[in-house]
Amino acid sequence: NAGVTQTPKFQVLKTGQSMTLQCAQDMNHEYMSWYRQDPGMGLRLIHYSVGAGITDQGEVPNGYNVSRSTTEDFPLRLLSAAPSQTSVYFCASSYSGTLWTGELFFGEGSRLTVL
Amino acid sequence: DQQVKQNSPSLSVQEGRISILNCDYTNSMFDYFLWYKKYPAEGPTFLISISSIKDKNEDGRFTVFLNKSAKHLSLHIVPSQPGDSAVYFCAASVAGTYKYIFGTGTRLKVLA
Repeated sequence: NAGVTQTPKFQVLKTGQSMTLQCAQDMNHEYMSWYRQDPGMGLRLIHYSVGAGITDQGEVPNGYNVSRSTTEDFPLRLLSAAPSQTSVYFCASSYSGTLWTGELFFGEGSRLTVL
Repeated sequence: DQQVKQNSPSLSVQEGRISILNCDYTNSMFDYFLWYKKYPAEGPTFLISISSIKDKNEDGRFTVFLNKSAKHLSLHIVPSQPGDSAVYFCAASVAGTYKYIFGTGTRLKVLA
């Protein structure tokens, strides 16, 4: 049981490049989400999904795109990277509906630097 | 507008003493609160939670207190241990919305 797995762990991009951060979970969680952590800002919600085919925006969605084609995977796409997107990104998942406990399970994070 | 605030960026406590971490929120719709612990280069891990129908929840050395009228919650760690040194985040949610708002974190250092 690997939990929540994020790849890559580190990435350096140039401004304007695109890339996808991968997130996979093996706990059969319906809910998955992406957060970014910046100094002095805590964790801010980018996008989330409550099931395959369903996504919604969080606090800071601009510049990011998501899709949810399977229960297991929730990739985060940066379409045209900007230096303001330099951050540590965390994927998190949890049960939903009647199984919801409120507890989020986080991946280890992906550190992205945009030059 | 910061809906969840942790006003103390850092806290140092002697081993064996009590650590008290504080969190304030502004949105009265929040009805579920969580604490997470984060070590460097790792993802946050769940510590303890509390629903707004309670004012206290205990789990071993960790107790969370909720004061709804003051919109304030606190995490007590007794006794504190060096392994508790980490960054602690509080988070708030409206049950069923799946949106969690996190505070900015408090770095706890437990001195041996």
